[in-house]
Amino acid sequence: DTAVSQTPKYLVTQMGNDKSIKCEQNLGHDTMYWYKQDSKKFLKIMFSYNNKELIINETVPNRFSPKSPDKAHLNLHINSLELGDSAVYFCASSPPDALYGYTFGSGTRLTVV
Amino acid sequence: KQEVTQIPAALSVPEGENLVLNCSFTDSAIYNLQWFRQDPGKGLTSLLLIQSSQREQTSGRLNASLDKSSGRSTLYIAASQPGDSATYLCAVTAGNQFYFGTGTSLTVIP
Repeated sequence: DTAVSQTPKYLVTQMGNDKSIKCEQNLGHDTMYWYKQDSKKFLKIMFSYNNKELIINETVPNRFSPKSPDKAHLNLHINSLELGDSAVYFCASSPPDALYGYTFGSGTRLTVV
Repeated sequence: KQEVTQIPAALSVPEGENLVLNCSFTDSAIYNLQWFRQDPGKGLTSLLLIQSSQREQTSGRLNASLDKSSGRSTLYIAASQPGDSATYLCAVTAGNQFYFGTGTSLTVIP
C-alpha cells in the first residue's frame, strides 16, 4: 500500500529517557513533516524536510532532533523526555507541488510517565 | 501569519440531518484547502482537497466549498450517519507551510 507509516503507534516511557519515532513514505514525495497534536487537538508543525534538507524548524526544544537518512524517511529523536512531551505526533509528506495536498501517517501516541 | 478557525467547536445532530461545518482563514494567499477527519485515538484521513483555483469538491455525501476572497470554506455532510462522528479538521497550505484549524467535534446521534 502506498502510504505514510509511523512506528511505533504507541510509546510509553519514563521521564528522562531518549526515544525515537520512525516515519517512512513510499509515495515518492520530496517533503516530509513532523506535527505535534496537543491535548486540545490542535496540530502544530515542528519540522519540515525537503530532500533530506531541513526547511522548517519551528520553536521546539533542542531535545527534539529530526533525522532524514533519505527523502523517504524522517525520524524524530527526543532526548531527556519530559511530561509535557506527552502528545500525539504525526508524520506527513507532500509532493513538490503542494497543490496536491498532504498525506498523514496514523500518528504516534507518546505518553511520558 | 495565517490563522485558521473552525466553528462550531462541537456539534451534535440527530441521524439523517444535513449539516455544515465552517472553516475560516485570515490570509487568502493559499495553495489549497484540505478537510480531514480524525477518529478518537486514530490518525488523520484526508476527505477532500480543494485547490486554490477551484470552488468546490464533492465526494459521496460530502461537499466542500472554498471562497478564497472571503477566507471561508464549508464542509457539507448530507444525511448524516452515526459513523460520521469524528473530529473534522480543515487545513490550508500557504507557501511551504500547512496550517490546521481548531477542529469541530461532530456527534451524530442514532
